[in-house]
Amino acid sequence: AQSVTQLDSHVSVSEGTPVLLRCNYSSSYSPSLFWYVQHPNKGLQLLLKYTSAATLVKGINGFEAEFKKSETSFHLTKPSAHMSDAAEYFCVVSVGGSTLGRLYFGRGTQLTVWP
Amino acid sequence: SQTIHQWPATLVQPVGSPLSLECTVEGTSNPNLYWYRQAAGRGLQLLFYSVGIGQISSEVPQNLSASRPQDRQFILSSKKLLLSDSGFYLCAWSPPGRSSGNTIYFGEGSWLTVV
Repeated sequence: AQSVTQLDSHVSVSEGTPVLLRCNYSSSYSPSLFWYVQHPNKGLQLLLKYTSAATLVKGINGFEAEFKKSETSFHLTKPSAHMSDAAEYFCVVSVGGSTLGRLYFGRGTQLTVWP
Repeated sequence: SQTIHQWPATLVQPVGSPLSLECTVEGTSNPNLYWYRQAAGRGLQLLFYSVGIGQISSEVPQNLSASRPQDRQFILSSKKLLLSDSGFYLCAWSPPGRSSGNTIYFGEGSWLTVV
């Protein structure tokens, strides 16, 4: 069975400080892992993805994530938060052999950035 | 580059009225196409997916239907809306094929309110 756990529903940081959004997954197969960002009333934008190549994945807007199989984690980080980073972030798992388009979502982490 | 367009962005419809949400993709051929619904505080629920013209698979029984009259056009419809159909609907596409590593790209979404 597949599942995704985002460990924090809300994260608040000051502008210019590091961001850490935590994600753990459970999968019976080798998964592909994604982080998406969603601004209010908007669609989901892909930040980055892991598909069994390099375990450290760099994405857009300075975000990166590290796949750690031993810890079944895929935490999202950014060295310095910007006000425009305030949004909801979803950790997502896709598994081969599943129904096409079937994605397993975490419940989301709302990131607040204080000036 | 590929782009996805979804409209209308916002829709208020009375109970019992019909629905048509339209989605088109540009810059790619034979994409996989999807309709999702997002509930507040939760991930996305896959409603329909399509691997080609006229080929529609439904994930959940419901009051909605989907059609793919052209390669890059995907339509979500209902003959008679229910209050429970209210929500945020997202169209999405991915490259052809069934690899779990294929990224799914989302449209901007459509807010449907049934009154």
